[in-house]
Amino acid sequence: NTKITQSPRYLILGRANKSLECEQHLGHNAMYWYKQSAEKPPELMFLYNLKQLIRNETVPSRFIPECPDSSKLLLHISAVDPEDSAVYFCASSQQTGTKSNERLFFGHGTKLSVL
Amino acid sequence: QQKVQQSPESLTVSEGAMASLNCTFSDGTSNNFRWYRQHSAKGLEVLVSIFSDGEKEEGRFTAHLNRANLHVSLHIREPQPSDSAVYLCAVSPNYNQGKLIFGQGTKLSIKP
Repeated sequence: NTKITQSPRYLILGRANKSLECEQHLGHNAMYWYKQSAEKPPELMFLYNLKQLIRNETVPSRFIPECPDSSKLLLHISAVDPEDSAVYFCASSQQTGTKSNERLFFGHGTKLSVL
Repeated sequence: QQKVQQSPESLTVSEGAMASLNCTFSDGTSNNFRWYRQHSAKGLEVLVSIFSDGEKEEGRFTAHLNRANLHVSLHIREPQPSDSAVYLCAVSPNYNQGKLIFGQGTKLSIKP
């Protein structure tokens, strides 16, 4: 899937600040951040619709999302913790699932490793 | 809180034989079910979506939904080694549009 691009693909950090980026070329209104820890299924972190944050799933305050426009999504991470090691997936959908046949498309993910 | 459980945890099937994966969920009012595939260290690929009881086919992938039994399954016809991956069941609770709850996955291996 080259229609949702994420960068970087791999990120190795000490206790530093960094930002993950996502851009979708599908003309979708809704964008998501999901976190997938090792051996676990993806879990929703944040959901934006039309650049408005409409869902924040009890995520530590060191994670700060930003949606500068409806096609871009950022995730700023400050003072990362080893428990933050995971793959972070960006996803998008046309709407936020108010129609039952809404489909979610995922990017390839950014693998974050915290030393 | 919606709970989604998949079985088996892992499955090995010979090339060409039917592969069947199961998923149970706890909230019978859910109306939005998807099966995703995840190859190692890669993103999620949606295979089939189903929204009402019965069967939905997308190529070699067929989903069966029975909400009364809180069960949705995925059947893969004529699987190939390239189908080896983790398969994830995802449910969108009826009250919580925009959020998918995933099962823990079934690791499928296809033997040549």
